[in-house]
Amino acid sequence: DTGVSQDPRHKITKRGQNVTFRCDPISEHNRLYWYRQTLGQGPEFLTYFQNEAQLEKSRLLSDRFSAERPKGSFSTLEIQRTEQGDSAMYLCASSFVTGTGTQYFGPGTRLLVL
Amino acid sequence: TQLLEQSPQFLSIQEGENLTVYCNSSSVFSSLQWYRQEPGEGPVLLVTVVTGGEVKKLKRLTFQFGDARKDSSLHITAAQPGDTGLYLCAALYGNNRLAFGKGNQVVVIP
Repeated sequence: DTGVSQDPRHKITKRGQNVTFRCDPISEHNRLYWYRQTLGQGPEFLTYFQNEAQLEKSRLLSDRFSAERPKGSFSTLEIQRTEQGDSAMYLCASSFVTGTGTQYFGPGTRLLVL
Repeated sequence: TQLLEQSPQFLSIQEGENLTVYCNSSSVFSSLQWYRQEPGEGPVLLVTVVTGGEVKKLKRLTFQFGDARKDSSLHITAAQPGDTGLYLCAALYGNNRLAFGKGNQVVVIP
């Protein structure tokens, strides 16, 4: 399977704990994106990388959130001191730099903060 | 303010019926994507439309991009239970971020 993969698929944590999610993009894609989706809403943009550089961050990405893509391949999204409002589906997508900008999504990581 | 408005938000139909859902905006887009999402899964790309007035077909699904590239529609012919899902439209906003509508939840009853 050469699609976007995410790990873990589900995460339950207690408020105040730190969590880290991983995304492996389609191998030829040099752009990688993180989105968050809450119930009844479409995905909302968080941040994106071109190769290893983080080029844009949404105001939704508070100081407790940090994303990295150290070698320009996989990416991690860490949430520190989780809050109940962080409960959501975290989606990763990847794309080529050129073309129509079509983004291909992974299966997501569903986070529940108790 | 939602950049993309999708209507209706929820639609329930009998198997074999036809349906159309809409994605509207006041902004002009260079391209627009339609995705389908099932519960607990990520969005799966169905189609990208680029040219104003463009019509693309994917089996029983017909996608149309408005002439002014501000809106799009998705028509499903002879709907089947497997068509059940959340249909999301999305467009590039700024340089690289996708803006999504809230989706059209379609339920096809056998």
